[in-house]
Amino acid sequence: SQKIEQNSEALNIQEGKTATLTCNYTNYSPAYLQWYRQDPGRGPVFLLLIRENEKEKRKERLKVTFDTTLKQSLFHITASQPADSATYLCALPPAGNMLTFGGGTRLMVKP
Amino acid sequence: EAQVTQNPRYLITVTGKKLTVTCSQNMNHEYMSWYRQDPGLGLRQIYYSMNVEVTDKGDVPEGYKVSRKEKRNFPLILESPSPNQTSLYFCASSFTSTSGTEAFFGQGTRLTVV
Repeated sequence: SQKIEQNSEALNIQEGKTATLTCNYTNYSPAYLQWYRQDPGRGPVFLLLIRENEKEKRKERLKVTFDTTLKQSLFHITASQPADSATYLCALPPAGNMLTFGGGTRLMVKP
Repeated sequence: EAQVTQNPRYLITVTGKKLTVTCSQNMNHEYMSWYRQDPGLGLRQIYYSMNVEVTDKGDVPEGYKVSRKEKRNFPLILESPSPNQTSLYFCASSFTSTSGTEAFFGQGTRLTVV
């Protein structure tokens, strides 16, 4: 069956360091992959989309890579700040145009 | 302002009492969907709609109904709520461009069934 896996354990890092989150998937061949940010009790907010023919995409302090051979995406936040603390979700389109989400990884950035 | 609006934000109800959670979007998106989010289980899709009068089951549709009579509205109906439907619910609308699909989420509805 199709699966999207994100590390369910929280990632704790020090302010100023680079946070790296992982999204692995199986039994998909997605045309693209997305990352969302979710704050407690609120809906996810779209951050970045990377297509299958793009190896890397950047937006300000965010960088996403997409390795279709490994079936993996890495999400990096450079120069992390306490305000970056949130849960980060990856999402794939399994069929048509609807999205399936991973379980998310909680990031805690300590001052 | 482009947004997805859900109501109510919080609801406590009793088992068996029918309820409706409303969802409205002002972005003219064709696609809308409902998710529930539970600790350790992530976001799971309940139902989705690809256009007016077109709805399909997601991963966890049991105990829920939806309707899509107008493009902007996609209500979620619980005919006979049970305690296992206590959860945080999100409505989303999405559009598809040449880049892919981007989803916009509502603020969430925290439902407690006692």
